[in-house]
Amino acid sequence: AQSVTQPDIHITVSEGASLELRCNYSYGATPYLFWYVQSPGQGLQLLLKYFSGDTLVQGIKGFEAEFKRSQSSFNLRKPSVHWSDAAEYFCAVGASFYDMRFGAGTRLTVKP
Amino acid sequence: SQTIHQWPATLVQPVGSPLSLECTVEGTSNPNLYWYRQAAGRGLQLLFYSVGIGQISSEVPQNLSASRPQDRQFILSSKKLLLSDSGFYLCAWSPSGRPSSYNEQFFGPGTRLTVL
Repeated sequence: AQSVTQPDIHITVSEGASLELRCNYSYGATPYLFWYVQSPGQGLQLLLKYFSGDTLVQGIKGFEAEFKRSQSSFNLRKPSVHWSDAAEYFCAVGASFYDMRFGAGTRLTVKP
Repeated sequence: SQTIHQWPATLVQPVGSPLSLECTVEGTSNPNLYWYRQAAGRGLQLLFYSVGIGQISSEVPQNLSASRPQDRQFILSSKKLLLSDSGFYLCAWSPSGRPSSYNEQFFGPGTRLTVL
């Protein structure tokens, strides 16, 4: 069965520093991969998605993610973090329209 | 454009009381609808999904139920709340009518439920 692992529960970075959030998935077929962001007490907002094609995917708010099939990974990156990026980030893998498995999330703290 | 609403935003209920959370979607027709629960420090757990009026599938056995009385309305209910029902409940929708594999889900603002 498909599953998602986000190894880092909490990450702290300084404002202006680069960011990489890790995501590893387990799925037998071609995965459909997503990154969502959640601000405190809010719903989830889609940052980017990967279905096929170019393995480097651009999203909103300056985020990008790279799909690496050999490593079963879909890591999220941003070259320069802003204080407003502090939030919780969820990686998800979709096997069908209803079967979307979410990781436990990584909480990002941004230091001034 | 499409929007999704949830209410109430927060709710505090005693153990044993009933529950009704509502979710509505605007700007689309025949959406797929979902209820998730999010516990602190954990990911999202899919509770129910629906592909049409009156069509509900349950993913996790529990004392919660869901109904879809109208195309764009999804309701989460309980007859008697348990302490373990506390959490953040999220409603989501995805478009239907195209290859389902490509359907990302769009989330509402959520309802914070505290059962005392």
